[in-house]
Amino acid sequence: GAGVSQSPSNKVTEKGKDVELRCDPISGHTALYWYRQSLGQGLEFLIYFQGNSAPDKSGLPSDRFSAERTGGSVSTLTIQRTQQEDSAVYLCASSSSLKRRETQYFGPGTRLLVL
Amino acid sequence: AQKITQTQPGMFVQEKEAVTLDCTYDTSDQSYGLFWYKQPSSGEMIFLIYQGSYDEQNATEGRYSLNFQKARKSANLVISASQLGDSAMYFCAMIQGAQKLVFGQGTRLTINP
Repeated sequence: GAGVSQSPSNKVTEKGKDVELRCDPISGHTALYWYRQSLGQGLEFLIYFQGNSAPDKSGLPSDRFSAERTGGSVSTLTIQRTQQEDSAVYLCASSSSLKRRETQYFGPGTRLLVL
Repeated sequence: AQKITQTQPGMFVQEKEAVTLDCTYDTSDQSYGLFWYKQPSSGEMIFLIYQGSYDEQNATEGRYSLNFQKARKSANLVISASQLGDSAMYFCAMIQGAQKLVFGQGTRLTINP
């Protein structure tokens, strides 16, 4: 079956612009996660969604970052007024449940460059 | 807070040799899970192996095995008979609660022919 897909694969934007990153999880997976990978900070958790529960936003670095998940499937991560330090690879993952043993399967990521 | 430490920024190994990638962790939880992921130059994160803290046996998946030493809080990945395609970044991660993964800094493994 299809894996996690993300779009766009690459995004170049100017400082101050807003960007939207999209994630399409594996069909049937109820849990969806966003992570960020940057040279300085490594891999960091940003946010996760599970079904209709309120998302865990504890990893979002500032209020410029927000995410939503529509219909329990596709998710969009929005970064407003982008800054150069937002440049990173944004990875999305999904799993079939929140059980600890459940593997998180990752998408190919979106490489964001803020000029 | 949970923390993962990978002390080897880079490793170089001859093809067909076995290699051990180190991972130590710090947690106050009694129940936890440990993952290893591979990230080739293409960028995607590929799941390799999982070890639960209460699992009685060390996890194995094909050429991958996990040397889990709970008292030492270590979960080293062993790759047997390394192949050129094993060249990649390798990340150790711990599941925090039942949700977020906490990652180590990674080890860049290079397999030489």
